[in-house]
Amino acid sequence: NAGVTQTPKFRVLKTGQSMTLLCAQDMNHEYMYWYRQDPGMGLRLIHYSVGEGTTAKGEVPDGYNVSRLKKQNFLLGLESAAPSQTSVYFCASDDSRTEAFFGQGTRLTVV
Amino acid sequence: AQSVAQPEDQVNVAEGNPLTVKCTYSVSGNPYLFWYVQYPNRGLQFLLKYITGDNLVKGSYGFEAEFNKSQTSFHLKKPSALVSDSALYFCAGDTMNYGGSQGNLIFGKGTKLSVKP
Repeated sequence: NAGVTQTPKFRVLKTGQSMTLLCAQDMNHEYMYWYRQDPGMGLRLIHYSVGEGTTAKGEVPDGYNVSRLKKQNFLLGLESAAPSQTSVYFCASDDSRTEAFFGQGTRLTVV
Repeated sequence: AQSVAQPEDQVNVAEGNPLTVKCTYSVSGNPYLFWYVQYPNRGLQFLLKYITGDNLVKGSYGFEAEFNKSQTSFHLKKPSALVSDSALYFCAGDTMNYGGSQGNLIFGKGTKLSVKP
C-alpha cells in the first residue's frame, strides 16, 4: 500500500517555465490537498478537492491551477513559474473523517 | 475566516520533563482539530485528532492533547519528553459539518520542539 505518492521529488525550473506536479493516492480518499511549506510560514493551503471533478481555492491559490479528473489523482500546475514559487510542496488526502496522509514532498526551485 | 495559531516558534525542554506545545483555533462551526509531526526532510505524520467527545485525546508516541472550548485551545502535551521527540509540530483544523470535514484543512505555522539530554 503506497499511500500518497508525489512526482517528481525534485525540480529546478527557469522563470516563466511551466510544470505539473502529480499526486496519486491509493486509499480511495475523497479529499485531496496541495500545500506549500516555506520557512517560518508553516503549511499553506493552495487548493483542495472534496471529490472527483471538484476543486476549490485555499489560502494562496494565485499562480497555481489544479485538476481532479480522476479520484486518485490531484494535479498541481504552474503556468509561468516565478522565484516566489520556490518552495516544498506537499500533497495530502483524507476521507473527511480521518487524519490526512501526506506525500514525501516535492522540492521546487525556480531560478 | 478560519485560522489556527501556534504562538511559540520554538519550545525547549529537558529530557524527562513534561512538554506542552500550544495551539489556538478560530473556526466558524464545530472544530475538527489535529496534531502532526514532521521530521527533517519528511512529510507530516499524524499524531492525534479531536472530532467530538472526550476533551482529552490520546495519540501516538505517548502524546495527548486537551481540547478547551472556552479558551479555543488544543495544546499538545507529553508527561516525559524524549530526545527523539525533537521535531517540528503542526496543529491543524477544519470545520466539521454533517459528520465530516469541509475539506479546508488549515495548518498553524509550526513549533520546533527541541529536547536536550
